[in-house]
Amino acid sequence: DTAVSQTPKYLVTQMGNDKSIKCEQNLGHDTMYWYKQDSKKFLKIMFSYNNKELIINETVPNRFSPKSPDKAHLNLHINSLELGDSAVYFCASSPQTGTETQYFGPGTRLLVL
Amino acid sequence: GDSVTQMEGPVTLSEEAFLTINCTYTATGYPSLFWYVQYPGEGLQLLLKATKADDKGSNKGFEATYRKETTSFHLEKGSVQVSDSAVYFCALILLRGSQGNLIFGKGTKLSVKP
Repeated sequence: DTAVSQTPKYLVTQMGNDKSIKCEQNLGHDTMYWYKQDSKKFLKIMFSYNNKELIINETVPNRFSPKSPDKAHLNLHINSLELGDSAVYFCASSPQTGTETQYFGPGTRLLVL
Repeated sequence: GDSVTQMEGPVTLSEEAFLTINCTYTATGYPSLFWYVQYPGEGLQLLLKATKADDKGSNKGFEATYRKETTSFHLEKGSVQVSDSAVYFCALILLRGSQGNLIFGKGTKLSVKP
């Protein structure tokens, strides 16, 4: 009965590869987010989707492309991975756009070698 | 721009000690304020929140009061336990129309020793 789930939990890959991270929420929420947490634990929003539509796209390289096939899913595809992409990526959801409380997934630990 | 500043860690305390983690914010409006906690190897969980000035959020023995005059939202707990060891994030959200981002502080790592 996990509320926000992400797969995979760990991802180790070579520089230059393309990879995807999946996120699913079973809370019936309208809005989903991707955050990046760097090695110093600093958290920053990357994207926000509301009802499958992109509403926030912070300054993120074009190599990162979110895709929302339906309201319950928000996947993150990363092309041409770089060493600096190594981080923990968190998915989150909230009932509506701008609703204050967000519910976070367990994170995907990405290591680019 | 909007921002959150919280005290640098790590903070190391003995069990049953009093905890304060300072948090101040800068915002052009009236944000809602949050404390999130991240236990080792896990995602973030909402610990408590306050949506307007003088509100006090509380949960699991932790408290924080929204102080507009000092733009602060300090986290306190009277007696910490080993199980409180985690990273604590102060955050704000400021709605502009129907949209808003959670803006996080840099996190404070708390270690509680038996």
